[in-house]
Amino acid sequence: QITLKESGPTLVKPTQTLTLTCTFSGFSLSNNGEGVGWIRQSPGKALEWLALIYWDDDKRYSPSLKPRLTVTKVASKNLVVLIMTDMDPADTATYYCAHNSPYYYNGRGYYYRYFDYWGQGTLVTVSS
Amino acid sequence: QSALTQTPSASGSPGQSVTISCTGTSSDVGYYDFVSWYQQRPGKAPKLMIYEVTKRPSGVPNRFSGSRSGNTASLTVSGLQAEDEADYYCSSYAGSNNPVLFGGGTKVTVL
Repeated sequence: QITLKESGPTLVKPTQTLTLTCTFSGFSLSNNGEGVGWIRQSPGKALEWLALIYWDDDKRYSPSLKPRLTVTKVASKNLVVLIMTDMDPADTATYYCAHNSPYYYNGRGYYYRYFDYWGQGTLVTVSS
Repeated sequence: QSALTQTPSASGSPGQSVTISCTGTSSDVGYYDFVSWYQQRPGKAPKLMIYEVTKRPSGVPNRFSGSRSGNTASLTVSGLQAEDEADYYCSSYAGSNNPVLFGGGTKVTVL
């Protein structure tokens, strides 16, 4: 059974750096084809993809947020960390991590096909 | 503005069917067989309902079905039930540089 859970600060000040942790179980990021994604949702708004990290340490970022994002993993501890710099009130959102579909499909690699398990999300408010 | 276009709302009475659409381009929805749909109830995390255009994960009722025509994907909920009232988001693979696109979401109301 795959489970994921996000943790981190609930309140950050503008210009500060946000660090969120995703702790998961039921799979290993050391295993071929595994990946974890980050998605956020501002209040009343749509889902917005942020980043993906894979078993081989390859990473993909949303082009619009790439300058501000860093994603890393500690496979041995079953956790993934998302760092977002220069936080702004517009970054107020619920941040989710999710288990990515297996990378290999029909003999080819695809960075994303679907997110099959999601964490409960963590609300981060950016305010002074 | 989301990369994939969804109509903001849809509704139907219990037992009826409702179809919601998701329009992309020939570089995402129309090219890759990797359209997925997520259901999100208020205050809850999204839940995968359809993947790879037409496939249902284990445990998802067969009242939910997916399809695609050209650059537009669709999710149909047949035999609407009160528990189907939720927001629904489509998503598509869009290539290695920007792999994940989401739609703006459709709020489904059961009348």
